[in-house]
Amino acid sequence: GENVEQHPSTLSVQEGDSAVIKCTYSDSASNYFPWYKQELGKGPQLIIDIRSNVGEKKDQRIAVTLNKTAKHFSLHITETQPEDSAVYFCAASKNNAGKSTFGDGTTLTVKP
Amino acid sequence: NAGVTQTPKFRILKIGQSMTLQCTQDMNHNYMYWYRQDPGMGLKLIYYSVGAGITDKGEVPNGYNVSRSTTEDFPLRLELAAPSQTSVYFCASSYSVATNYEQYFGPGTRLTVT
Repeated sequence: GENVEQHPSTLSVQEGDSAVIKCTYSDSASNYFPWYKQELGKGPQLIIDIRSNVGEKKDQRIAVTLNKTAKHFSLHITETQPEDSAVYFCAASKNNAGKSTFGDGTTLTVKP
Repeated sequence: NAGVTQTPKFRILKIGQSMTLQCTQDMNHNYMYWYRQDPGMGLKLIYYSVGAGITDKGEVPNGYNVSRSTTEDFPLRLELAAPSQTSVYFCASSYSVATNYEQYFGPGTRLTVT
């Protein structure tokens, strides 16, 4: 089955700096790569996603890049703010009932 | 829309007891999922359903059962609770359109088995 590895497990940045979280996947048939943000005591919420026919996608301060050859994708957050502090999960899935395999998460702390 | 709702929010079970975690969504999604999240870990899929009357096992189904009699409800049953089932359980739902896989998550149920 699919295996998703996520790094780093914790990340601390100064407000205004950029943050990068990286994930690798094992199944070359995976074609959908979402990123979820989980705030304390809440369920994960989708923040951005990318499909295998696209190399990069941007939404304001958040961007995701995908390298299909190397089977890795990354989340980039620019101009970080304290409210960006949360746990971020990457995931990978195929055209299979939308089932996703999740990474173990990255705890991002943005220090004011 | 309330989205995905889960009850209860918290529960403490004794070893060997049983319980049902409730999940309801009001978005008319065909796909529904149950995940567990252990401390410091990602989400592991327990069971999923692609529509009423259809369920299938995920990555970690042992010790759990599900049913899907309606589009809205997807309860998760724990039989003979064990300490290894101490976790936070999340229910999620998504559209069944091949171009939209976004999953909408409930707030979670924190379960402790002692």
